[in-house]
Amino acid sequence: QVQLQESGPGLVKPSQALSLTCTVSGASINMGFYWSWIRQRPGKGLEWIGYSHNSGISYYNPSLGSRGTISLDPATNQFSLKLTSVTAADTAVYYCARRNCLDGYCPFDHWGQGAQVTVSS
Amino acid sequence: QLVLTQSPSASASLGATVKLTCILSSGHSRYGIAWHQQRPKKAPLYLMTITRDGSHIRADGIPDRFSGSGSGAERYLTISSLQSDDEGDYYCQTWGDGIEVFGGGTKLTVL
Repeated sequence: QVQLQESGPGLVKPSQALSLTCTVSGASINMGFYWSWIRQRPGKGLEWIGYSHNSGISYYNPSLGSRGTISLDPATNQFSLKLTSVTAADTAVYYCARRNCLDGYCPFDHWGQGAQVTVSS
Repeated sequence: QLVLTQSPSASASLGATVKLTCILSSGHSRYGIAWHQQRPKKAPLYLMTITRDGSHIRADGIPDRFSGSGSGAERYLTISSLQSDDEGDYYCQTWGDGIEVFGGGTKLTVL
């Protein structure tokens, strides 16, 4: 059974970097999936942040500019998100998820429980 | 530009059937999509994929009360025998070349 669990600081100061880790169990992050981060601002819908594949492919939402980086750590079977220069607009629940592509269809088929991150001084 | 459009809200009575719609933007009518359910204060849950020919592939453990279909640029999620537990937000998702897109979500109220 595939499970994902986010962890990281719940409070980040403006202009600093937000760092979150997702621990994966039941699947290896080297198995060829796309490991993803998605966020949900208060009262809003889902917003894709980016994803990374063990082949080295990474894509990010253009709206973030160059602020986001997703890294994979096969040794610990974790992947992480770093978002730099945060503002209050980055306050959200952050979800990690597995993007599973088969026959050209790529749903996010497993999700973490979510981690609340508040940007405030 | 790849965009998914959903109605903001829908409602139906307990035990009834409801059909939610997700519309693909012009030029993208042959795309597949996925449906996700988000109950209040919970993480999203993947329900199913709707293929480009309008058939559905249900996720493991999702009851057959949930079904999907498609026609032209529209993709549907049909929920039959509505239960109070079905109340929540439903999001469609699709994928492009290095881009992922979510619809704005439909808030389903079970009356």
